[in-house]
Amino acid sequence: AQSVTQLDSQVPVFEEAPVELRCNYSSSVSVYLFWYVQYPNQGLQLLLKYLSGSTLVKGINGFEAEFNKSQTSFHLRKPSVHISDTAEYFCAVIEGFAGKSTFGDGTTLTVKP
Amino acid sequence: DAGVTQSPTHLIKTRGQQVTLRCSPKSGHDTVSWYQQALGQGPQFIFQYYEEEERQRGNFPDRFSGHQFPNYSSELNVNALLLGDSALYLCASSTRGRDEKLFFGSGTQLSVL
Repeated sequence: AQSVTQLDSQVPVFEEAPVELRCNYSSSVSVYLFWYVQYPNQGLQLLLKYLSGSTLVKGINGFEAEFNKSQTSFHLRKPSVHISDTAEYFCAVIEGFAGKSTFGDGTTLTVKP
Repeated sequence: DAGVTQSPTHLIKTRGQQVTLRCSPKSGHDTVSWYQQALGQGPQFIFQYYEEEERQRGNFPDRFSGHQFPNYSSELNVNALLLGDSALYLCASSTRGRDEKLFFGSGTQLSVL
């Protein structure tokens, strides 16, 4: 069965610094990978996804992620964060065709001035 | 274009009661998935409705049931509420039973006292 591990529960960072949020997954078959963002009192919003093709995926708000099949990882990066990036970030995996999304427990990104 | 709408936004119930949550999918979407998000955790898949049938189900007891109407809207029913059912319940819509492009509502916060 698929599973997702977000390696950091909280990541504090100063404004304009780079950030990386780490995600590892386990699955016995091919997967689709996603990052979602959740702001307080809101639902989840898709940041980016990897379905196939280039392993470097660019998303909204300047975020990007790299799929590494050998490391079974899908880390999220941003070169320069803003106060407005403060939110909860979730990594998710879908296993195979028509699979259901399995989410990690989230990483709280706090951007400090 | 209205996104995914959920009602009510907040709900307080007592143990043993029953609750019904409602979801209208994004325009053009025909599939509704329900998730439970406990405090500090990622969303957990409850079930998915497509073509008015429950297509897939996560590891939730039969106390959790649902329905999809011909207009694609959906209800989540929970019977015999337990304290542990307190959570944010998220509805997500998509097309053709697939998860590659999920759109989430803002959720219903259920508190069981």
